[in-house]
Amino acid sequence: GESVGLHLPTLSVQEGDNSIINCAYSNSASDYFIWYKQESGKGPQFIIDIRSNMDKRQGQRVTVLLNKTVKHLSLQIAATQPGDSAVYFCAENTTDSWGKFQFGAGTQVVVTP
Amino acid sequence: DVKVTQSSRYLVKRTGEKVFLECVQDMDHENMFWYRQDPGLGLRLIYFSYDVKMKEKGDIPEGYSVSREKKERFSLILESASTNQTSMYLCASSSSGTGEFFGPGTRLTVL
Repeated sequence: GESVGLHLPTLSVQEGDNSIINCAYSNSASDYFIWYKQESGKGPQFIIDIRSNMDKRQGQRVTVLLNKTVKHLSLQIAATQPGDSAVYFCAENTTDSWGKFQFGAGTQVVVTP
Repeated sequence: DVKVTQSSRYLVKRTGEKVFLECVQDMDHENMFWYRQDPGLGLRLIYFSYDVKMKEKGDIPEGYSVSREKKERFSLILESASTNQTSMYLCASSSSGTGEFFGPGTRLTVL
């Protein structure tokens, strides 16, 4: 079946550096993508989204890049802070899927001082 | 601020008990979802609902049922809890064209 996955299970980043988290998806019909952040013991939190008619979207300290040619999504976090330590996962959706998303397994980001 | 709330953060039940997990959203969303999250397995969809009194099976519905009597409320029921249902349960809601907004989760332990 279709799947969404992540390349790296754990990413260690020094405080102040930029982080890049990657996600591969296999459903070429996917047209809406979201990145979530999940801190320990909490529910996932929406970070940023992007639709398939765009290839880049920026938020506060975060940028999402979408490469539809290779079905790849990435999340860039600028000037990573200790509060950015969490599990990040991507989700994809098609407009005919009743708002139902497919989620990646997640990448643990650990920010070191 | 949009909100999805779940009735309990932590719950401990015994094998064979009937368990109710409640979820309420205040965003007037049509769609609501129940997931379980286990280490190494990510989010797995149990059931979802796209309208009042409507429900659809997700990827792992066995051992669970749901109820959606009102638009804002989606309940997950474990008819007879088993130890392999020990997990983090997450509720989410969405509207067409939006992402899913999650609740804080309920960590259920079945002894």
